[in-house]
Amino acid sequence: AQSVTQLDSQVPVFEEAPVELRCNYSSSVSVYLFWYVQYPNQGLQLLLKYLSGSTLVKGINGFEAEFNKSQTSFHLRKPSVHISDTAEYFCAVSTTFGNEKLTFGTGTRLTIIP
Amino acid sequence: DTGVSQNPRHKITKRGQNVTFRCDPISEHNRLYWYRQTLGQGPEFLTYFQNEAQLEKSRLLSDRFSAERPKGSFSTLEIQRTEQGDSAMYLCASQLNSGGDTQYFGPGTRLTVL
Repeated sequence: AQSVTQLDSQVPVFEEAPVELRCNYSSSVSVYLFWYVQYPNQGLQLLLKYLSGSTLVKGINGFEAEFNKSQTSFHLRKPSVHISDTAEYFCAVSTTFGNEKLTFGTGTRLTIIP
Repeated sequence: DTGVSQNPRHKITKRGQNVTFRCDPISEHNRLYWYRQTLGQGPEFLTYFQNEAQLEKSRLLSDRFSAERPKGSFSTLEIQRTEQGDSAMYLCASQLNSGGDTQYFGPGTRLTVL
């Protein structure tokens, strides 16, 4: 079975400052890794995903994440945040075979301070 | 693509009543998932369909829950004899193929059991 840990439930950041949202996972088999964003009163939207290859993955809205196999981490970063980045961010994993169901972390609420 | 749609968006019911939710996936997406999200938590997997076949059900899915996907198109999730603990957001996602293809989520159905 897989599990995902997002240690930071809330992260306040000043506008135009950099941010890192942490994600660690546990799995005995190879996994795909995902970051989803949930804006207020909206559905989940994919930010980026790691399937294979380069460990640095770029996504939408200026976000990027780095897969670190030895530390079993997939942290999300953005060099300069905007008010519009206020949302809930979920890290998720799936196996690379079978039904590929997603296992999510508990989420990190990113609040941008003007 | 019109995206994944779910109906109704909100459902309020009394304990003991039956409810049914509908999910219309993106056209030609073979794989369909149901998840449940409670307040402050990430989505949790409920069940998975490949075309019309239901291939996996989570232990979260008690005997009161049933899901179908006739003809491999839309899907329904029925909860019989609802309980207050069933109150949650029910999310549907569709995926074109395996291999890490993106799961696209619908807006969800929020169920409140009084």
